[in-house]
Amino acid sequence: DSGVTQTPKHLITATGQRVTLRCSPRSGDLSVYWYQQSLDQGLQFLIQYYNGEERAKGNILERFSAQQFPDLHSELNLSSLELGDSALYFCASSVYPRGPGMDEQFFGPGTRLTVL
Amino acid sequence: SQQGEEDPQALSIQEGENATMNCSYKTSINNLQWYRQNSGRGLVHLILIRSNEREKHSGRLRVTLDTSKKSSSLLITASRAADTASYFCATEPDRGSTLGRLYFGRGTQLTVWP
Repeated sequence: DSGVTQTPKHLITATGQRVTLRCSPRSGDLSVYWYQQSLDQGLQFLIQYYNGEERAKGNILERFSAQQFPDLHSELNLSSLELGDSALYFCASSVYPRGPGMDEQFFGPGTRLTVL
Repeated sequence: SQQGEEDPQALSIQEGENATMNCSYKTSINNLQWYRQNSGRGLVHLILIRSNEREKHSGRLRVTLDTSKKSSSLLITASRAADTASYFCATEPDRGSTLGRLYFGRGTQLTVWP
């Protein structure tokens, strides 16, 4: 158990819908990262938040957005869903900015999204 | 692409044998991390090696890093059936705008037969 929790585990929805994925980082971690894993693209970085502020953006679609709340949990919102959005969405957390031995990113169990 | 590339894509061995997986990448890095994933489940962090380190051990795992060749290897000794999983290398570039994010390869699928 990495200490990172994600809900829900599975989500099945229809095209055009909107969903929210939730992540709670490990205790003490200020940075949260979202990744998408699909058969086509593999594991891709989407976005990073640090202490409530957006820190870096990767290959995140405009239909997707995220935020990190004062209690450090994060939500990833996916809207106008398409079939191609079906994937495993991971949240990871780390102590960032880093210090000695604090570079590791620890991943949650993921949310499997199926868009029908 | 800054992604790492693992080699081989798939590896099949008997219990007790050693498994070696390789990873190559393209840009200079802060660190390289290896993860294990069982059958579409969560990613388990195995080991991190920093750019100024050449070798690291953790239990039955040995990781090497050659920054001049931009490559790393993961050795699992005395493999067990429970080691069956996909193994990914992930690199953290050392450029300011990309600090923190990880770039993953496609993974090596390791199958260990009893």
